[in-house]
Amino acid sequence: GQNIDQPTEMTATEGAIVQINCTYQTSGFNGLFWYQQHAGEAPTFLSYNVLDGLEEKGRFSSFLSRSKGYSYLLLKELQMKDSASYLCAVFSTDSWGKFQFGAGTQVVVTP
Amino acid sequence: DSGVTQTPKHLITATGQRVTLRCSPRSGDLSVYWYQQSLDQGLQFLIQYYNGEERAKGNILERFSAQQFPDLHSELNLSSLELGDSALYFCASSPRQEYGYTFGSGTRLTVV
Repeated sequence: GQNIDQPTEMTATEGAIVQINCTYQTSGFNGLFWYQQHAGEAPTFLSYNVLDGLEEKGRFSSFLSRSKGYSYLLLKELQMKDSASYLCAVFSTDSWGKFQFGAGTQVVVTP
Repeated sequence: DSGVTQTPKHLITATGQRVTLRCSPRSGDLSVYWYQQSLDQGLQFLIQYYNGEERAKGNILERFSAQQFPDLHSELNLSSLELGDSALYFCASSPRQEYGYTFGSGTRLTVV
């Protein structure tokens, strides 16, 4: 099975930077995804890491360390619209056919 | 529009009833996944179909069943509904697992 841990909630100010950590335990690791989900809406894809290192995509960056079972999502220049839940999801060959999602981190952006 | 179509968007029904949720995957995607998300809960995997065949099962109740048809659309059947079944039900599709999922907009089921 897989264990995925991420903080429940984080609060940050508009224009600031927030880093959401995700730790996981799995064998047969085959990729880590980050999704954004606004309340009552569908999750939308943000990033994908399969190799160690940093992937940058505009204001969002995601980092992966496979040896540490660790990833983070970095949100820069926070905007009010970034207030949402951020889901870490691991794809593993041990769970063929499905991602295991973390419970999500609720990010609250304040003025 | 993500390309994954779910109907209906909202459903209100009474306990003990049966409902069917429908999903059409993105064009070309052979895999369909069903997830349940209860209030303030994470996404719970229910079941996956690939090209008409069941491929993986999660914590799906025996009262729930699904199928994928030759045209690749899928239906999730929920029977003997209980109040606790009230949730958002998402369908997702992908061409290959490692490419990630594209989610539909979900069906909000309310059991009263």
